Amino acid sequence: DAEITQSPRHKITETGRQVTLACHQTWNHNNMFWYRQDLGHGLRLIHYSYGVQDTNKGEVSDGYSVSRSNTEDLPLTLESAASSQTSVYFCASSPGLAANNEQFFGPGTRLTVL
Amino acid sequence: QKEVEQNSGPLSVPEGAIASLNCTYSDRVSQSFFWYRQYSGKSPELIMSIYSNGDKEDGRFTAQLNKASQYVSLLIRDSQPSDSATYLCAVNTLGAQKLVFGQGTRLTINP
Repeated sequence: DAEITQSPRHKITETGRQVTLACHQTWNHNNMFWYRQDLGHGLRLIHYSYGVQDTNKGEVSDGYSVSRSNTEDLPLTLESAASSQTSVYFCASSPGLAANNEQFFGPGTRLTVL
Repeated sequence: QKEVEQNSGPLSVPEGAIASLNCTYSDRVSQSFFWYRQYSGKSPELIMSIYSNGDKEDGRFTAQLNKASQYVSLLIRDSQPSDSATYLCAVNTLGAQKLVFGQGTRLTINP
């Protein structure tokens, strides 16, 4: 069955370290998104991509980067982790069709920055 | 004004009753509307989508859309304890392919 996976599911790191969170989907969706979810803030968009080699900043992109070298993967990199980036991170994908923007979410990665 | 607004709750409903969840949005050209359910510690799960004015029913769930009032709602009939979760409203704007999410409403169904 087609699916979307994230790894690792849990990560503890130290301030200043570089961290990469993986997201992989097998639906062949054009669009992929990264969100963070914190109490009191709901889901906030970090970065998104509408296809290979395309990346765009979301509302909370500072300190994060993404690259899209193939359809299936959109890794999220924290260049120098900060305690404020402790959060639950969700990856999502959608087909990219004009009439269908339903997004499907991965299981999430819980990141703790000490 | 937030783009998508929901009452954060908690909303408490007795088992077997109708739960009514509401969402308003600010962008008049919004085109697609979605309801997600999120259990504690889990990822959001799509339960309903609606694209045109009126009602859309799927089992115990009914989504209602009123574009003139910029209002979308979700009704859950015969509420069950397993419906206890946070419900997220999401809206897509014409020409864009990203969604804007509300903060979510926490729903508790009391046995």
